[in-house]
Amino acid sequence: GDSVIQMQGQVTLSENDFLFINCTYSTTGYPTLFWYVQYSGEGPQLLLQVTTANNKGSSRGFEATYDKGTTSFHLQKTSVQEIDSAVYYCAMRDFVNYNQGKLIFGQGTKLSIKP
Amino acid sequence: DPKIIQKPKYLVAVTGSEKILICEQYLGHNAMYWYRQSAKKPLEFMFSYSYQKLMDNQTASSRFQPQSSKKNHLDLQITALKPDDSATYFCASSQYTQDTQYFGPGTRLLVL
Repeated sequence: GDSVIQMQGQVTLSENDFLFINCTYSTTGYPTLFWYVQYSGEGPQLLLQVTTANNKGSSRGFEATYDKGTTSFHLQKTSVQEIDSAVYYCAMRDFVNYNQGKLIFGQGTKLSIKP
Repeated sequence: DPKIIQKPKYLVAVTGSEKILICEQYLGHNAMYWYRQSAKKPLEFMFSYSYQKLMDNQTASSRFQPQSSKKNHLDLQITALKPDDSATYFCASSQYTQDTQYFGPGTRLLVL
């Protein structure tokens, strides 16, 4: 079935380090892909999305490229800051039942930044 | 001002009881959703509604019943509560079902 895989449950970095969070997806076709960020005590909020394969999305210094060849949508940031500490979720829209709005989320990656 | 309101923020219930989780959105959206986030699972889609009509139901149990009294309301009634129902329940909305979804702050439910 459709799935989104984030292998890294937790990532700990220092300020100004490079961030790379893995995400791979499995489905038929080319779904819209998302990264959501969830700060402590809040609901997930959209960080970026990409609809078209091979395109790149970016927001607030974060980037992700939709790679249909490797079915990946890894998240990167050149220099992380303490305020980036949060849980990051990779997600995709259900491609087959596109009009029903279902989002499929990965397990989430908790990012902790040491000051 | 918050655009998606979920009430209550925290809820403690006893096994076998019934609770209603409230969701209101003030974004003018036509589609609303419920998701569940439990300790060991990722965010799971439960329901989607568009123009107050059910579009998709991915819950295996009829104990979960969404209720849409107004276009900008989608409450979630849970009956015969079980400890496994303990989770944070998020409401979300979007302009249409194909559009970006915005999430509320969640209701954290603990069933004892």
